[in-house]
Amino acid sequence: NAGVTQTPKFQVLKTGQSMTLQCAQDMNHNSMYWYRQDPGMGLRLIYYSASEGTTDKGEVPNGYNVSRLNKREFSLRLESAAPSQTSVYFCASSEAGTVHEQYFGPGTRLTVT
Amino acid sequence: AQSVAQPEDQVNVAEGNPLTVKCTYSVSGNPYLFWYVQYPNRGLQFLLKYITGDNLVKGSYGFEAEFNKSQTSFHLKKPSALVSDSALYFCAVRAGSARQLTFGSGTQLTVLP
Repeated sequence: NAGVTQTPKFQVLKTGQSMTLQCAQDMNHNSMYWYRQDPGMGLRLIYYSASEGTTDKGEVPNGYNVSRLNKREFSLRLESAAPSQTSVYFCASSEAGTVHEQYFGPGTRLTVT
Repeated sequence: AQSVAQPEDQVNVAEGNPLTVKCTYSVSGNPYLFWYVQYPNRGLQFLLKYITGDNLVKGSYGFEAEFNKSQTSFHLKKPSALVSDSALYFCAVRAGSARQLTFGSGTQLTVLP
C-alpha cells in the first residue's frame, strides 16, 4: 500500500506559467482533498471531492482548478501561476463522512518566481 | 462557522517530562476533533480523534487527548516525552454538519535531551 502519492515533489515556475499537480490514492477512499500549507497559517483547503464525479470549493479556491479523474486520482491545476501561490501543497483522502480521519501525501513544494 | 486555536507557537519540554499541547475550538453543534503530527518535509500523520463517548482519547505513539466540552478544549498530552516526539502538531475540528475540516496554525514541539 503506497497510501497517497503526489507528483512532483518540487517545482519552480515563472509567473504566468501553468502546471498540474497529480495525486493518487490506493485506499479506495471516496473523498479527496487539496490543501496548501503556509508558515503560521496551518493548512487551508483549496478544493475537495466528496465522491467521484463531484468537486467543491474550499476556503481558498481562487487561481486553482481541479479534476477528479476517477476514484483514485485528483489533480490540481494552476492555470497562470502567481508568486502568492508559492506554498507546500498536500493532497489527502478519507472515507466518506465527517467522522473519518484524512490520510496525507508527502507534499509538493512549489516556488513561483 | 468553525475555528480552532493553538495558542502556543512553540512548546519546549525536557525528555522524560510530561508534555501538553493546547487546542481550543469553536463550532456550532457537536465537534469532531483531530490531532495530526508533521515531521520535517513530510505529510501530516493522524494521531487520534474524538467523535463521541469517553472524554479521554488514546492514540498512536502513547499520545492521548482530553475533550472538555465546558472549556471547548482538546489538549494533546503524553506522560513522558521522547526526543523523537519533536515535530509540528496540528489540531483540527469539524462540526457534525460541516463538509470541511478546519486546522489550527500548528504548535512546534521540541523535546530537549
